Amino acid sequence: DTGVSQNPRHKITKRGQNVTFRCDPISEHNRLYWYRQTLGQGPEFLTYFQNEAQLEKSRLLSDRFSAERPKGSFSTLEIQRTEQGDSAMYLCASSFQGGSYEQYFGPGTRLTVT
Amino acid sequence: KQEVTQIPAALSVPEGENLVLNCSFTDSAIYNLQWFRQDPGKGLTSLLLIQSSQREQTSGRLNASLDKSSGRSTLYIAASQPGDSATYLCAGDITGNQFYFGTGTSLTVIP
Repeated sequence: DTGVSQNPRHKITKRGQNVTFRCDPISEHNRLYWYRQTLGQGPEFLTYFQNEAQLEKSRLLSDRFSAERPKGSFSTLEIQRTEQGDSAMYLCASSFQGGSYEQYFGPGTRLTVT
Repeated sequence: KQEVTQIPAALSVPEGENLVLNCSFTDSAIYNLQWFRQDPGKGLTSLLLIQSSQREQTSGRLNASLDKSSGRSTLYIAASQPGDSATYLCAGDITGNQFYFGTGTSLTVIP
């Protein structure tokens, strides 16, 4: 197992376009988290899944954001009608419930909205 | 909501020096506290996790402690090396469901 992977690593899009990111967690991990990080700040929690159920969402997650984890494995994060303020690094993490809850992060997807 | 503060924001030390990074949090009902390292433009690498029933964890030259009563955690790095240069983030979790991150300490180890 090579850890948490995210694709694409970089995305440049024009304002108003939709974008979708993918996260593949560590295979035996049943929890998956999405965070957003802007320059000079720590990551901010967006949402998390336990298996396929989305159990918690931050108020940061506006109606333009939607996340899915249809089969309890990989997850997608979609941003509709992107705005310049959406430019950030989007990080995915996974952990195993029933273990220590230690979170393992992927390399992130850098989004630039022009 | 858990508020997490890290001091100092930046630190520069000569190679070989021992150093301490500080993390404070507002909610003493902390479930887990995790320390991460982040290189520029990269994701986070987990360094140490301290669970609520634990007081400290050690890995190689790193030692992290947790004092829930005072709302503080420290990360001790022994015999620092230039390869330790990175941003160090601490994150506190009060529910087992999400971590609240500090803004990090940017460490530079000078050869």
